[in-house]
Amino acid sequence: QMPLQESGPGLVKPSETLSLTCTVSGGSISSSTYYWGWIRQPPGKGLEWIGSIFYSGKTYFNPSLKSRVTISVDTAKNLFSLNLRSVTAADTAFYYCARLTYSSKDIDYWGQGTLVTVSS
Amino acid sequence: QSALTQPASVSGSPGQSITISCTGTSSDIGSYNFVSWYQQFPGKAPALMIYEGSKRPSGVSNRFSGSKSGNTASLTISGLQAEDEADYYCCSYGGIINTWVFGGGTKLTVL
Repeated sequence: QMPLQESGPGLVKPSETLSLTCTVSGGSISSSTYYWGWIRQPPGKGLEWIGSIFYSGKTYFNPSLKSRVTISVDTAKNLFSLNLRSVTAADTAFYYCARLTYSSKDIDYWGQGTLVTVSS
Repeated sequence: QSALTQPASVSGSPGQSITISCTGTSSDIGSYNFVSWYQQFPGKAPALMIYEGSKRPSGVSNRFSGSKSGNTASLTISGLQAEDEADYYCCSYGGIINTWVFGGGTKLTVL
């Protein structure tokens, strides 16, 4: 198993920055076999890929979110993080961290998800 | 990058087969064999059911199968069971710029 666990505030004010961390246990994040990524899902709606990071630090983003997103990796702590700037109510969603397989480009492990609400 | 197109809902009776389509473009589904399918129950994280278009991870029933033709991928569930009632999402790798795109999701109802 490769448990992934999201952590971070469940409530963020409009115009502020949403920050989440995903702790990876049971294996090393420093593997060339995987990407590590973030996916979100507004309540009652579909999935949206936010972005992914390779252990080297190379990042890839959804073009629609690219200007507001930062994803970083901390190999020493075996975790990766998401920052989404200038949030609005439209960013209210369940945020999932996930492991993406480099060779087959699928998402084979998901965190349980965490609901982040944007509201004043 | 536009979302892949899936029907909003499909339904079938126990024992029947259903197929969910997922239409993309020549930039994603049409160019790569990296389509994956996910099953999601209410309140739960999605789970991988099919990868590389037609391969099943260990533990996934062989009642689930995937295929692709041109810019359209398909998920077929045969011998439908009540436990298959869930939302299903397709996802494709977008290649050149290393992006991923999901379909809008399909709600499967077992009658």
